[in-house]
Amino acid sequence: EAGVTQFPSHSVIEKGQTVTLRCDPISGHDNLYWYRRVMGKEIKFLLHFVKESKQDESGMPNNRFLAERTGGTYSTLKVQPAELEDSGVYFCASSQDTGIRELPKNEQFFGPGTRLTVL
Amino acid sequence: AQKVTQAQTEISVVEKEDVTLDCVYETRDTTYYLFWYKQPPSGELVFLIRRNSFDEQNEISGRYSWNFQKSTSSFNFTITASQVVDSAVYFCALSETVYNDMRFGAGTRLTVKP
Repeated sequence: EAGVTQFPSHSVIEKGQTVTLRCDPISGHDNLYWYRRVMGKEIKFLLHFVKESKQDESGMPNNRFLAERTGGTYSTLKVQPAELEDSGVYFCASSQDTGIRELPKNEQFFGPGTRLTVL
Repeated sequence: AQKVTQAQTEISVVEKEDVTLDCVYETRDTTYYLFWYKQPPSGELVFLIRRNSFDEQNEISGRYSWNFQKSTSSFNFTITASQVVDSAVYFCALSETVYNDMRFGAGTRLTVKP
């Protein structure tokens, strides 16, 4: 079974340009998460989709970031316009739904990440 | 507020030494999960272990062992007889029942020298 995949693996853009990152979750996983690690700091949560709906987007840094998950399958994260401080590694993760409200979602499987460099 | 602290930024050991990576967490929830992930040089995050807050039994898996102490809010990770292939960044993380996102520590970079 294929794991979580992310595209591209690396992206180098100039400040002010637009970049779109893509994540394909594991088939059948309703939950999709975006995280990023900036400047060697901790990995920070950005947002969480349940199918095509945004469950929690409290971690999105500002309105230059737009995440979508049309059809509840793959997701895109667009940064427009990119700034220098956006450089980092963007991880995507997916998990199955436990179906039990009181329990945390099942284990999150992470993709390999996209390394974004903004010059 | 939930928070995960990995005080050790970098650790360097010689092969075959034992090494312990520290993780201290903060949470108001009574039910939560703790995780350890490994990030090798190739970049992907590799799941190592998940423990829930009700199970304080220490776990051993080969050369890896985990010590969960609720009294000190710690979930430390020990590698016995370290190997060069253990070189990676190791992340500790916390997930609560209400919030489904995972809160990660800053990571500890482990270098195992031959």
